[in-house]
Amino acid sequence: EPEVTQTPSHQVTQMGQEVILRCVPISNHLYFYWYRQILGQKVEFLVSFYNNEISEKSEIFDDQFSVERPDGSNFTLKIRSTKLEDSAMYFCASSVGQGLYNEQFFGPGTRLTVL
Amino acid sequence: AQRVTQPEKLLSVFKGAPVELKCNYSYSGSPELFWYVQYSRQRLQLLLRHISRESIKGFTADLNKGETSFHLKKPFAQEEDSAMYYCAPPQNAGNNRKLIWGLGTSLAVNP
Repeated sequence: EPEVTQTPSHQVTQMGQEVILRCVPISNHLYFYWYRQILGQKVEFLVSFYNNEISEKSEIFDDQFSVERPDGSNFTLKIRSTKLEDSAMYFCASSVGQGLYNEQFFGPGTRLTVL
Repeated sequence: AQRVTQPEKLLSVFKGAPVELKCNYSYSGSPELFWYVQYSRQRLQLLLRHISRESIKGFTADLNKGETSFHLKKPFAQEEDSAMYYCAPPQNAGNNRKLIWGLGTSLAVNP
């Protein structure tokens, strides 16, 4: 069964460094998402992406964040200059559509630790 | 905007006991509500959605508009039901739908 994959599973970085989190959505899916979960807190929506552009972004998704689908298969989240508070689990998700029956399928997550 | 409340962070029951995981929502309009589950060392996955009126792994969830609740229930809990459960209604996000998450309830089913 196809799955969303994410790499790396764990990323440790120094504050101020750039990180790129990678996701490979399910191949026939058209809608893509990033969520994050800070330890002990709710899962939070970051951004949704469709047709090569951002559909919506949350207030968390400031100028330090960007997303890209560089080659038609990967979907990346870049954090330009990481802060301590960016430490979280980052989940990528994809769906074939966005109707009521279109389930979002999640990747296993990338744990980002900013020191 | 839609908001969900899962009042219990942890719920511990014995195997064979009934279980009810609470979810209350605030939403103007017709709500859509999903339950997601995350088993240990596994990814988030959809458990069930109210519009399908389905029973998955023995779990059911009824939307109660009067009480604005979408509690998840199972009459006889099994050890393999131990997991993190999230109530997560979708909300429009441009051309997409984003999921709005509750804090989650950790269910521990003891032998």
